[in-house]
Amino acid sequence: GENVEQHPSTLSVQEGDSAVIKCTYSDSASNYFPWYKQELGKRPQLIIDIRSNVGEKKDQRIAVTLNKTAKHFSLHITETQPEDSAVYFCAAIYNNNDMRFGAGTRLTVKP
Amino acid sequence: DAGITQSPRYKITETGRQVTLMCHQTWSHSYMFWYRQDLGHGLRLIYYSAAADITDKGEVPDGYVVSRSKTENFPLTLESATRSQTSVYFCASSDQGTKETQYFGPGTRLLVL
Repeated sequence: GENVEQHPSTLSVQEGDSAVIKCTYSDSASNYFPWYKQELGKRPQLIIDIRSNVGEKKDQRIAVTLNKTAKHFSLHITETQPEDSAVYFCAAIYNNNDMRFGAGTRLTVKP
Repeated sequence: DAGITQSPRYKITETGRQVTLMCHQTWSHSYMFWYRQDLGHGLRLIYYSAAADITDKGEVPDGYVVSRSKTENFPLTLESATRSQTSVYFCASSDQGTKETQYFGPGTRLLVL
């Protein structure tokens, strides 16, 4: 089955710095890669996603890059703010509807 | 987000008891999903449903039963709860046309004693 590995498990940055979270996946047939943000005690919420026919996608301060050959994708957050502090999950679709998640990265943005 | 709700939000039960977690969505989404979230594991798919009366196993289906008699409801039943099923359970739904984009409910925190 699909295996999604996510690094680092924790990340602490100074406000205004950039943050990068990386994920690798095992199933070469995966074609959809979403990123979710989860604040403490809240539900996961989609922040950005990328499909396998695109190498990079940006939405304001966040971007995702995808390298299908190497089977890895990354989340980039620029000009981080304290409200970016949360747990971030990457995921990959396996077998059409089975979504496999990484274990999560706890991002702390220090003011 | 208010279009998908879960009940109860918190539940304490004992080993061996049957527990049903409810999920209801008002968007008429075709697809619905159940996940459990445990520290260190992220979210793991238990079961999903592509439409009424169609369900499929996910990554961790053992010990769980689902049904989908109506499009808007997707209950998850633990037939004989075990301590290892203590977790936070999230329901999610997605539209047929963008079936990969999933919207999550608020979660149910379940404690099995």
